[in-house]
Amino acid sequence: DAKTTQPPSMDCAEGRAANLPCNHSTISGNEYVYWYRQIHSQGPQYIIHGLKNNETNEMASLIITEDRKSSTLILPHATLRDTAVYYCIDIGSNYKLTFGKGTLLTVNP
Amino acid sequence: DTEVTQTPKHLVMGMTNKKSLKCEQHMGHRAMYWYKQKAKKPPELMFVYSYEKLSINESVPSRFSPECPNSSLLNLHLHALQPEDSALYLCASSPGTGAYNEQFFGPGTRLTVL
Repeated sequence: DAKTTQPPSMDCAEGRAANLPCNHSTISGNEYVYWYRQIHSQGPQYIIHGLKNNETNEMASLIITEDRKSSTLILPHATLRDTAVYYCIDIGSNYKLTFGKGTLLTVNP
Repeated sequence: DTEVTQTPKHLVMGMTNKKSLKCEQHMGHRAMYWYKQKAKKPPELMFVYSYEKLSINESVPSRFSPECPNSSLLNLHLHALQPEDSALYLCASSPGTGAYNEQFFGPGTRLTVL
């Protein structure tokens, strides 16, 4: 079973920042926080990952709290093409991706 | 080449048929994965290959038989499937199997079992 919890759905206006929260209540010290997304009928797409520090790449920013029990994925300027299911996943030494139900982000014009 | 390709895109088969799904990557990745995704559900891991050897089998029924002929190619052989096996089958690859290796997914094969 998935170890993370996410809201089932969120809405965001096009051009605004989308902030997607995730709770990692049972994360252990050697587990990474990963975010993937899946646009309808496509394969999942890697977005970003981190261990302790905040991370940023060309797609998004990842904010991890100091106790690592929660994280936030930030899409700085959401577009209609960002409408997708977003998954946060804790991955440790067994390197298995266990997807939860994710958050359906709908970007509205 | 930075993508994972899967063939065919769609497959319809009867319960007595034998078919195979193919997955290919040319990124030099040494780990490859099969996932199954039922409608409106998240993907579920089926198999993991590391350096061409099966390292994880998530208690998948024997009617699904994976094969990794070389480091670039992953097959999933299907035999005597049931209608409930209809799903999107996803392949993924990663540079290695450590937790710091992101997985790259293919577009999937949509399988319908009649």
